[in-house]
Amino acid sequence: SQTIHQWPATLVQPVGSPLSLECTVEGTSNPNLYWYRQAAGRGLQLLFYSVGIGQISSEVPQNLSASRPQDRQFILSSKKLLLSDSGFYLCAWAGTGVNGYTFGSGTRLTVV
Amino acid sequence: LAKTTQPISMDSYEGQEVNITCSHNNIATNDYITWYQQFPSQGPRFIIQGYKTKVTNEVASLFIPADRKSSTLSLPRVSLSDTAVYYCLVGDTRGGADGLTFGKGTHLIIQP
Repeated sequence: SQTIHQWPATLVQPVGSPLSLECTVEGTSNPNLYWYRQAAGRGLQLLFYSVGIGQISSEVPQNLSASRPQDRQFILSSKKLLLSDSGFYLCAWAGTGVNGYTFGSGTRLTVV
Repeated sequence: LAKTTQPISMDSYEGQEVNITCSHNNIATNDYITWYQQFPSQGPRFIIQGYKTKVTNEVASLFIPADRKSSTLSLPRVSLSDTAVYYCLVGDTRGGADGLTFGKGTHLIIQP
């Protein structure tokens, strides 16, 4: 069966520090991968999506970047965090013929 | 993706049937209708997906009228654990490459 792993679960980082969140998928190949962010009391905002290794599309200009070094690995990064980067970050995957998207357990990022 | 409109919040009681309606007047021919459930500090979880008429699974039923401009998620005999945010999404979600657009969803509160 397919599983998605996302870590860490919580993270507290000072302003100006770098960020690296990792997401991996098991049990499938060539999935579409996504990074979402959810601010407190708000809906999910699509940040990046990838349809293959090295292929990244950005939905919102921001202080973040994404990379897909391997087929089932998706990384969200920042060189210098801002206070406004705080939020709940979710990784998701979708495969051809699958109904719906599967989300990871999320990372709660607090920038202080 | 077609825009959706759903109530911001709803209240009900344990054992009742809850119906959440979503409007999507601009739904396209190829669009599917998908509902997700999200608990606090967790990623959204796929509930049900349909194209037309009625779809039923072990969790819920989805009713879609002939014009497909709306849909109703029906949760039978709800319990306290059904308290969550429910999102209605419309689009080509079968592995679509451009991700899903989540609104603010419907916050369902179940009382004893």
